Amino acid sequence: KAGVTQTPRYLIKTRGQQVTLSCSPISGHRSVSWYQQTPGQGLQFLFEYFSETQRNKGNFPGRFSGRQFSNSRSEMNVSTLELGDSALYLCASRNTGTASYEQYFGPGTRLTVT
Amino acid sequence: DQQVKQNSPSLSVQEGRISILNCDYTNSMFDYFLWYKKYPAEGPTFLISISSIKDKNEDGRFTVFLNKSAKHLSLHIVPSQPGDSAVYFCAASGDNAGNMLTFGGGTRLMVKP
Repeated sequence: KAGVTQTPRYLIKTRGQQVTLSCSPISGHRSVSWYQQTPGQGLQFLFEYFSETQRNKGNFPGRFSGRQFSNSRSEMNVSTLELGDSALYLCASRNTGTASYEQYFGPGTRLTVT
Repeated sequence: DQQVKQNSPSLSVQEGRISILNCDYTNSMFDYFLWYKKYPAEGPTFLISISSIKDKNEDGRFTVFLNKSAKHLSLHIVPSQPGDSAVYFCAASGDNAGNMLTFGGGTRLMVKP
């Protein structure tokens, strides 16, 4: 089975621009979560989607948004980019049909805001 | 307010010896705990997990211990191998579904040959 894939892997944007990141979960996984990793704040939960609905949201401003499609693929969008948005953005998928809570991560998208 | 803490930013161990990585949490609502390993430029890789109804879970060289009264968990790696050198994160879930993970800051493990 293919793992979680994320595109693009690297991205450079200018302050004020917006960006869209994409995530394809493991086949059969319907829950997709997004995390931000920075040196200062570590790994922080952004939001989680299941059946095209956002079920959980972390403590991030409204500039961070996401969506999920009927095939469980997900995108996250960051508008009006700030320098502090430079981070590794990780997507994780989970098989909600089991009793385990394991989330499986993709390789991440490294976003640099200049 | 850091709800999950890994107080040792780094740990160095000789190959063949035991590695013990520690994690403390403050939120008593956490009911499921996971350990992940991360190499540079890759996403975290799931290692092992434990439910709050257990105090130990073993998988090969990896054992996780949970002490609920102390709000403490640890990951034991025996024997340690150079390929185990990575950053290890503990994570906790408290939403009864595992959809939101709260991560510790990570511990960099270096296993010397």
